[in-house]
Order: sequence, then structure tokens, then C-alpha cells
Amino acid sequence: DSGVTQTPKHLITATGQRVTLRCSPRSGDLSVYWYQQSLDQGLQFLIQYYNGEERAKGNILERFSAQQFPDLHSELNLSSLELGDSALYFCASSHATAGGRGETQYFGPGTRLLVL
Amino acid sequence: KNQVEQSPQSLIILEGKNCTLQCNYTVSPFSNLRWYKQDTGRGPVSLTIMTFSENTKSNGRYTATLDADTKQSSLHITASQLSDSASYICVVSAGGGADGLTFGKGTHLIIQP
Repeated sequence: DSGVTQTPKHLITATGQRVTLRCSPRSGDLSVYWYQQSLDQGLQFLIQYYNGEERAKGNILERFSAQQFPDLHSELNLSSLELGDSALYFCASSHATAGGRGETQYFGPGTRLLVL
Repeated sequence: KNQVEQSPQSLIILEGKNCTLQCNYTVSPFSNLRWYKQDTGRGPVSLTIMTFSENTKSNGRYTATLDADTKQSSLHITASQLSDSASYICVVSAGGGADGLTFGKGTHLIIQP
């Protein structure tokens, strides 16, 4: 158990709908990262928040948005869903902001999204 | 363009045998290289992180090597166990934030009894 929690575990919805994925980081971690993992694409970095502020952006679509709240939990909002958005969405956390500088990221169990 | 290529794509070995997974990268500048283990349907778990100056790092039966000159890394698994069945992902960092991470697509390893 990494200490990172994600809800829900599974989500089934229809095209055009909007969903919200939730992540609680490990106790004491200030950074939260969101990743998308499709079968043929591997892990894709979406966005990072540090202590409530956006810190780094990856291949995140304009239909997707995220935020980090004062209690440090984060939400990823996916709207106007398409079939291709079906994937595993992972949240990770680390203590500081420099997730790319050798600091370990701890991944949550993921949310499996299926868009029908 | 920064890229991380892993080989083989998949591998099947018998329990108790050793195996080596490969990772070639073209990421520049180079900050560090990580290996993750990902069990099916679960989040990745960090195995090792190596910086430019480190060429070997071990974590139990897992040993990672790094050759920064040839831009190659390998992950050697000794005396494999059924619980080693997973995907192994190589991730290379160009420094900076998380947007500097380049992920490989992983090697899917199956250990047969």
C-alpha cells in the first residue's frame, strides 16, 4: 500500500459525459501528479500540482482539468468524454515539487474509466 | 525528441531462472533513470533510481545498471519468483519537473512455474 488513495476504482460512463476522479496523497506529500495509461500508449503524464498550484503540464487535453485543494487532495475532471478516453488514470504523490529530480513518486491504485 | 525504448516487449521464463530487461534512451539532458514494477491493474512501484554518477544499484533480487555513455540501462532479476510477473517500466528524467519524465512502454514479464 503506497498510502495514495484514489476513488472511484471503476467508472463506466457514456460518451459526452463528465466525470471527476479523486486522489488523496500520502500524508506529508505536497505534490500530486496525474497520469493516463492506455493499453497501447504506456504511462502519459498529464499534470502536476504542488501545494495547490499547477507546477507542470504534460499531454493534457483541453477537455481535462485538475485542481488541488487546501487539504492537498486533488481532483481530475474529464468532460465531453470520448471512447478514446477509456484508460487507467493514476495519481501519484511526492514530498516536494521536483518529481523529475530523483525523488520517488508513490502511485495510487488507479481509476479504471470505461467510456461506452 | 526524447524517447525511451524497452526490449523485449514481453518475456516468459521459468521460475528460478534469471533474466535481463533492456532500456535504451535518447533523453537529453540526462538527470536520472528509474525502473518501476507494475502488477496488472495496479499502480507502478519504484524499484531503483540512478543518477549520472551511479552505474549499478540493487534492490533485493533486482539489480539495475546504467551506462550513460551508450545511454543504456538494464534490469537484472535473479532467481525469479512467480510474484515477479509484472510489467517493468523504464523512466528517464531530463531534470526539472514531472514534465521532464519520458516513459518507456514497458516489458511484460511472465514467470511460469
